[in-house]
Amino acid sequence: KQEVTQIPAALSVPEGENLVLNCSFTDSAIYNLQWFRQDPGKGLTSLLLIQSSQREQTSGRLNASLDKSSGRSTLYIAASQPGDSATYLCAVINQAGTALIFGKGTTLSVSS
Amino acid sequence: ETGVTQSPTHLIKTRGQQVTLRCSSQSGHNTVSWYQQALGQGPQFIFQYYREEENGRGNFPPRFSGLQFPNYSSELNVNALELDDSALYLCASSLDSTRHSPLHFGNGTRLTVT
Repeated sequence: KQEVTQIPAALSVPEGENLVLNCSFTDSAIYNLQWFRQDPGKGLTSLLLIQSSQREQTSGRLNASLDKSSGRSTLYIAASQPGDSATYLCAVINQAGTALIFGKGTTLSVSS
Repeated sequence: ETGVTQSPTHLIKTRGQQVTLRCSSQSGHNTVSWYQQALGQGPQFIFQYYREEENGRGNFPPRFSGLQFPNYSSELNVNALELDDSALYLCASSLDSTRHSPLHFGNGTRLTVT
């Protein structure tokens, strides 16, 4: 059974810092991995999707990497801003290719 | 381009009642998925509909049921509500298989069961 773990559960940093969020999964047979952002009480916003054949994806200040063999992904945020404060969730596709399996998320707080 | 919209935004029900939640998928998307997110947890997959047929289901009891309509909008129905059903219910749409297409989520319906 696929399980997704995110470390740390919470993170507080001052504005301007570069930071890394970690995601690990137990079954390396994934189709893709997706990172999401969730603001309090809101839905999820897709940040980056990495196909299983890819090693990384970049969007602006965000860079996500994927190492299938070790069951790990990282989300790198450069030059953090207070507006980056949110919960970040990673998710992998199940074997049937129909459902995302989510971690519990990392709650990020960036202070000005 | 219209995003995923869900209604209502908030709902309070009593244990034992039934509830229907609605979702309009993003324009051009033919696949709709529903997720339940309890407080402090990641979303849990309920089921997925592709072109009006259920094509995947998570570990939820039969009292959770759904529909997808010809315009690809969708409903989630929950019968015999229990206190543990209190959660944020998220609808997501995608173009074809979730394997290749990113999911686009709505803002959810906050259901409280008392």
